[in-house]
Amino acid sequence: LAKTTQPISMDSYEGQEVNITCSHNNIATNDYITWYQQFPSQGPRFIIQGYKTKVTNEVASLFIPADRKSSTLSLPRVSLSDTAVYYCLVGDINRDDKIIFGKGTRLHILP
Amino acid sequence: EAGVTQFPSHSVIEKGQTVTLRCDPISGHDNLYWYRRVMGKEIKFLLHFVKESKQDESGMPNNRFLAERTGGTYSTLKVQPAELEDSGVYFCASSQAVGARQPYGYGYTFGSGTRLTVV
Repeated sequence: LAKTTQPISMDSYEGQEVNITCSHNNIATNDYITWYQQFPSQGPRFIIQGYKTKVTNEVASLFIPADRKSSTLSLPRVSLSDTAVYYCLVGDINRDDKIIFGKGTRLHILP
Repeated sequence: EAGVTQFPSHSVIEKGQTVTLRCDPISGHDNLYWYRRVMGKEIKFLLHFVKESKQDESGMPNNRFLAERTGGTYSTLKVQPAELEDSGVYFCASSQAVGARQPYGYGYTFGSGTRLTVV
């Protein structure tokens, strides 16, 4: 699995766009980039996954530059309920293998 | 579709006692995983079942932990005897087996966890 580095914590305000960047310099050709979200007192939840360029769903957007050595999770117009820990995962097609979590980014949304 | 269910949601036991945690995966999910997060630490993998078989138990901390998945449905994780350092949140996750090709990290559903406190 590729090593990932993301900020330990971030603060933002309601209504702002939040971008969390994850570095994965040794990403391999077959690796996917996946983000999970974990609210307090809940288990992690899959939010978005991508391989290259841009992916968007109802929750977030994921921007992946051409060299794929980093990725940015973008949360539009955050609210207090977006306060959570966000995990960046990078790995190959997994044959139903386990997920390995890092420290994640603790996002705190302020009113 | 019902999600992954874990119970109890909270458990407080004394050191030396036994506790059994239960996880009901999503129906039809062959893969079942146990994870643990102790205070201030990362979420750590404990064990992976494929149906009733233990596929990977490399994360089990010691022989005080016993996981079972009889019949390939629900799973239990027993801690006997419990120690203070076993306190933490225990998560269960499940995923549908799709064979060799599934993007890493896709298709997993986690339960809300069991918060275990050993006093």
